[in-house]
Amino acid sequence: AQRVTQPEKLLSVFKGAPVELKCNYSYSGSPELFWYVQYSRQRLQLLLRHISRESIKGFTADLNKGETSFHLKKPFAQEEDSAMYYCALRARGGADGLTFGKGTHLIIQP
Amino acid sequence: KAGVTQTPRYLIKTRGQQVTLSCSPISGHRSVSWYQQTPGQGLQFLFEYFSETQRNKGNFPGRFSGRQFSNSRSEMNVSTLELGDSALYLCASSFPLAGYENTQYFGPGTRLTVL
Repeated sequence: AQRVTQPEKLLSVFKGAPVELKCNYSYSGSPELFWYVQYSRQRLQLLLRHISRESIKGFTADLNKGETSFHLKKPFAQEEDSAMYYCALRARGGADGLTFGKGTHLIIQP
Repeated sequence: KAGVTQTPRYLIKTRGQQVTLSCSPISGHRSVSWYQQTPGQGLQFLFEYFSETQRNKGNFPGRFSGRQFSNSRSEMNVSTLELGDSALYLCASSFPLAGYENTQYFGPGTRLTVL
């Protein structure tokens, strides 16, 4: 069975400081990894996915298969980054739907 | 394009009743997935429908069921409601592309309260 762990329920950093949201996964095969974000009073939306190797809103995430991690990083936090962040995994081929972590509430202090 | 819509947005039921939730996907999307979100368990996958067929199913009891219509709209049904079924139920739609992962677009959810 697959599992996604986000060890921090709450992460508070100051504006301009670097941000790293941790995500570790367990899965026997080759997974697809995603980060979803939910801003206050908005619906859940995709932030980025590992296969695209893209940077969205200054965020990047690298899949480390050796450490089974997919940490989300941003060099300089902005106040508008405050939100709930969910790491998610899906088996290759789309079986079993998305498995989500419990989420990290990121608060950017001015 | 209009986003994923879910109706109703809020629902209050009592134990033992049944409930039906509706989801209209983004136009052109053929896959609809359902998730349950609770403070204790977080987001959990219920099932996925594609072209009117259930393709995947999560680890939920048979009281939870769903279906998809020819226009891709989907409904989920929960029978014999229990207090623990109180949750936010999210629907997500996607357009499966061969050889590429689907991006799931989420609706606003239906907040179900079981008394």
